[in-house]
Amino acid sequence: AQKITQTQPGMFVQEKEAVTLDCTYDTSDQSYGLFWYKQPSSGEMIFLIYQGSYDEQNATEGRYSLNFQKARKSANLVISASQLGDSAMYFCAMREAYYGNNRLAFGKGNQVVVIP
Amino acid sequence: NAGVTQTPKFQVLKTGQSMTLQCAQDMNHNSMYWYRQDPGMGLRLIYYSASEGTTDKGEVPNGYNVSRLNKREFSLRLESAAPSQTSVYFCASSDRGRSPLHFGNGTRLTVT
Repeated sequence: AQKITQTQPGMFVQEKEAVTLDCTYDTSDQSYGLFWYKQPSSGEMIFLIYQGSYDEQNATEGRYSLNFQKARKSANLVISASQLGDSAMYFCAMREAYYGNNRLAFGKGNQVVVIP
Repeated sequence: NAGVTQTPKFQVLKTGQSMTLQCAQDMNHNSMYWYRQDPGMGLRLIYYSASEGTTDKGEVPNGYNVSRLNKREFSLRLESAAPSQTSVYFCASSDRGRSPLHFGNGTRLTVT
């Protein structure tokens, strides 16, 4: 069964606007972690932000924030003030406590294109 | 400040040929991973190594073998390449807990 679901089609965003990327997850664990990665067209995987299931505050890292709704099992990424360099694929990933070895399960990604 | 280094960057194989993808990390991480990325499929875990001396299958292990040579190095071997193994392969490493995975730059493999 798919653990991470990212179903939005490709998104076009106006420069300087905010964009929200949806991610829902499936786990029966109480302790887990959620990650977002960015993959630009050059292909490298860039870590953006992390949210632990017991973290009381939503995670923020610069222009990135995570809208974590535990009861809904969603962990949406919000990019504020989009820049042209934000054009990329974005992947949501989850680490479950059961996998004490740090395995991450990835979603299929969201494509974002920022237009000037 | 190398991080995770993968070699080669590109490779073309014919069906039935074998090859080994090399990966090394200099961050003293215990855990290492091999993922493959196919269009529309995200990243799927092939094999991982929680610590030196241990390896375990991931989601798509068929057709691959791995070796955790030491704490730094984790190699992926294709014994008899098939066109279905055409993909981009990523090696990654991490510590435990909240630590993210650190990825290499990937190997683009084409099997004809």
